[in-house]
Amino acid sequence: DQQVKQNSPSLSVQEGRISILNCDYTNSMFDYFLWYKKYPAEGPTFLISISSIKDKNEDGRFTVFLNKSAKHLSLHIVPSQPGDSAVYFCAAGGASGTYKYIFGTGTRLKVLA
Amino acid sequence: NAGVTQTPKFRILKIGQSMTLQCTQDMNHNYMYWYRQDPGMGLKLIYYSVGAGITDKGEVPNGYNVSRSTTEDFPLRLELAAPSQTSVYFCASILGGQNTEAFFGQGTRLTVV
Repeated sequence: DQQVKQNSPSLSVQEGRISILNCDYTNSMFDYFLWYKKYPAEGPTFLISISSIKDKNEDGRFTVFLNKSAKHLSLHIVPSQPGDSAVYFCAAGGASGTYKYIFGTGTRLKVLA
Repeated sequence: NAGVTQTPKFRILKIGQSMTLQCTQDMNHNYMYWYRQDPGMGLKLIYYSVGAGITDKGEVPNGYNVSRSTTEDFPLRLELAAPSQTSVYFCASILGGQNTEAFFGQGTRLTVV
């Protein structure tokens, strides 16, 4: 039973355009969500997070939107750059105090120059 | 500041052999985690620790053991390696409190033949 789902395995976007990566979750107890970026042969690196008390969080070119009623979050990258080409994972965690995050399967983003 | 360091980066094991994957962090983080990532899949939590002397199972603990004798180190032990344990292993740490982002090591690629 996959509690965090990224239904698009890959996405291609032109440089300068918007990239939108989507993530759905099933567990209503999740109250904290994160996005990670991963390059080949490296560990994931943290991008941006959002707690369930917010519906939007912005950091530079990256914005995360949370729709709790739909159990859906999305990551917007504007403008997209070739260096953004990587695999993006969303992760979700609950209020247990242990920070045990459940990860999605990832979306491979390719930004075309 | 080295962050999270994993050794080795690569290892080939024969079926039935044992090994320990090392993980150390120099950020004085309370929480540490071991994940595995299989091809095309997200990260699955193997074991985690909320502090020195305290460990607990994650989603996929079978075939593994951990210990946390110090804040810095969180080794993962594989006993009787099996082909199903072929994967990329990531160690991560979190400070906790207001700081909820996980910092990852660069991974250990393990092949069991």
